[in-house]
Amino acid sequence: DTEVTQTPKHLVMGMTNKKSLKCEQHMGHRAMYWYKQKAKKPPELMFVYSYEKLSINESVPSRFSPECPNSSLLNLHLHALQPEDSALYLCASSHPPRDRDNYGYTFGSGTRLTVV
Amino acid sequence: GQNIDQPTEMTATEGAIVQINCTYQTSGFNGLFWYQQHAGEAPTFLSYNVLDGLEEKGRFSSFLSRSKGYSYLLLKELQMKDSASYLCAVRDIDSNSGYALNFGKGTSLLVTP
Repeated sequence: DTEVTQTPKHLVMGMTNKKSLKCEQHMGHRAMYWYKQKAKKPPELMFVYSYEKLSINESVPSRFSPECPNSSLLNLHLHALQPEDSALYLCASSHPPRDRDNYGYTFGSGTRLTVV
Repeated sequence: GQNIDQPTEMTATEGAIVQINCTYQTSGFNGLFWYQQHAGEAPTFLSYNVLDGLEEKGRFSSFLSRSKGYSYLLLKELQMKDSASYLCAVRDIDSNSGYALNFGKGTSLLVTP
């Protein structure tokens, strides 16, 4: 299995809703990431988990809450979002750099989020 | 922080060769990646350079010069399906982002008949 699977592919939510984005990989990668991408912009890093521990939080608002239940799963819990949070949310995974097989990141196909 | 620059747009003809340049500034360089991204889809890994020189993979090649903070992606025998955004990404172990990738703004390549 060489894929990162994200669900749902599309999500429309109101500003008072609570929803979660899910990401799963079975490549044995121990680093997982959340990126946010607006139209015609590059992906922007949000969170990094390494060995199931949050190692980097790029000053993301608290309405985004990440969770890494185990080495294969990564969630992003959403609450009280704003319309400007509408974007493509990408999950990625890799071997952490200190591992020997450090080669490339694999991205999921993303969740297209619309906040209304 | 990092400063990653690449051209915004390029146009090339089917069957031709195109070179997409990327310059970067970083203190703890730990690898440079090229990704291809079609509109509405996830980025797809193309190449990885951590040592100086050329890496070739089929129609795609990538070059790195660490002393110059410079890389390029070379696409040969262009096909219409190569029309996409090409993202240069640098990993900097000294940045606040640790070893996560930081992306340039991307180069939108249009291949014409």
